[in-house]
Amino acid sequence: DIKLTQSPSTLSASVGDRVSFTCRASQRIDTWLAWYQLKPGKAPKLLIYKASALESGVPSRFSGSGSGTEFTLSISSLQPDDFATYYCQQYYTSWTFGQGTRVEIK
Amino acid sequence: EVQLVQSGAEVKKPGESLKISCEVSGYSFPKYWIAWVRQTSGKGLEWMGIIYPGDSNPRYSPSFRGQVTISADTSINTAYLQWSSLKASDTAMYFCARVSTKETLWDAFNIWGQGTMVTVSS
Repeated sequence: DIKLTQSPSTLSASVGDRVSFTCRASQRIDTWLAWYQLKPGKAPKLLIYKASALESGVPSRFSGSGSGTEFTLSISSLQPDDFATYYCQQYYTSWTFGQGTRVEIK
Repeated sequence: EVQLVQSGAEVKKPGESLKISCEVSGYSFPKYWIAWVRQTSGKGLEWMGIIYPGDSNPRYSPSFRGQVTISADTSINTAYLQWSSLKASDTAMYFCARVSTKETLWDAFNIWGQGTMVTVSS
């Protein structure tokens, strides 16, 4: 199984900050990586697919980068609605998720 | 509008059976793979299995094979996840999710249900 490791587990930030967090794969997955936003009581939301493609309707302050084994999700200017937990997912072979990065208010 | 609407929260006892549902609308149900994903506080998100409603051929994660059954009914545009004998460790939030691209298996999940909370307790 391909394992995904996200860091940090928790990130404290303020509205307006630029934040980035990483997802490392245990083997090369090309760019078969997605990022999701999860909030309690809501359906998960796809943000980024194919490592860097922005899903339709997702604000442009979200961006993804990387290939192979190292990937990054960035939020250019954190908004109140962005405080949530973010998961990466690989779909190179089957599907596995990282353990999540929780973005909390500083 | 494309929607996946899941059945409501369940509270069950260990050993009981359960079938939860995911009703879809707004697209051609037979032509998109539908996955089930478990969310727990301890293990985060885990892919459980996936089904192509067009041929009702499910595939399971090794971690869940034999523990659950995934099925689909194209006459009512609904996918199902069922247990024959629940355990306390099955307590979790369960999501259905649609694969993004028609007739494609290996892809991200672009539409998700709202989740079904299953609580198993004596």
